[in-house]
Amino acid sequence: NAGVTQTPKFQVLKTGQSMTLQCAQDMNHEYMSWYRQDPGMGLRLIHYSVGAGITDQGEVPNGYNVSRSTTEDFPLRLLSAAPSQTSVYFCASRTQGYGYTFGSGTRLTVV
Amino acid sequence: AQSVTQLGSHVSVSEGALVLLRCNYSSSVPPYLFWYVQYPNQGLQLLLKYTTGATLVKGINGFEAEFKKSETSFHLTKPSAHMSDAAEYFCAVSDPPRDKLSFGAGTTVTVRA
Repeated sequence: NAGVTQTPKFQVLKTGQSMTLQCAQDMNHEYMSWYRQDPGMGLRLIHYSVGAGITDQGEVPNGYNVSRSTTEDFPLRLLSAAPSQTSVYFCASRTQGYGYTFGSGTRLTVV
Repeated sequence: AQSVTQLGSHVSVSEGALVLLRCNYSSSVPPYLFWYVQYPNQGLQLLLKYTTGATLVKGINGFEAEFKKSETSFHLTKPSAHMSDAAEYFCAVSDPPRDKLSFGAGTTVTVRA
């Protein structure tokens, strides 16, 4: 039981490049979310999903896309990377009645 | 919409002293409340949660928190700090059933020997 797995752990992008941050969970959780963490700002919700085929925007969705074709996977796509997207990204999942389980994070730098 | 305010971005305590981390929330419906801990270069780990029922909630590592509706607070305490408690702590709130978590800015705890 691996929990929530995020890949890659580190990534450097050039401005304008696109990429996908991967997130997979093996706990059959319905709910999955993406957060970004910036110093002094806590974690801010980017997108979330309450089940396969259902996604919704969070607090800071601009510049990011998501899809949920399976229960296990919830990839986050950066369409055209900008320096403001330099951050640590966390994926999390949970099932009804329990708190979220977080992945170990992806540290992204956009130069 | 819900929001969370954590009072104090840094807290320094002596080993063996009380740890008190303050969290106030706003929510339009009865909230679910959480405390998470983050050790350096790691993800977040759930310490404890309040959903319904008993307002005093016990979590892992000797931490507990009390939900006070009248004060819209969910403060985290530990009677005796240990060096291993040095970490960043986040309070979070969600409005069921929409289930979106909103986090506070975090409180960094340092423990002095």
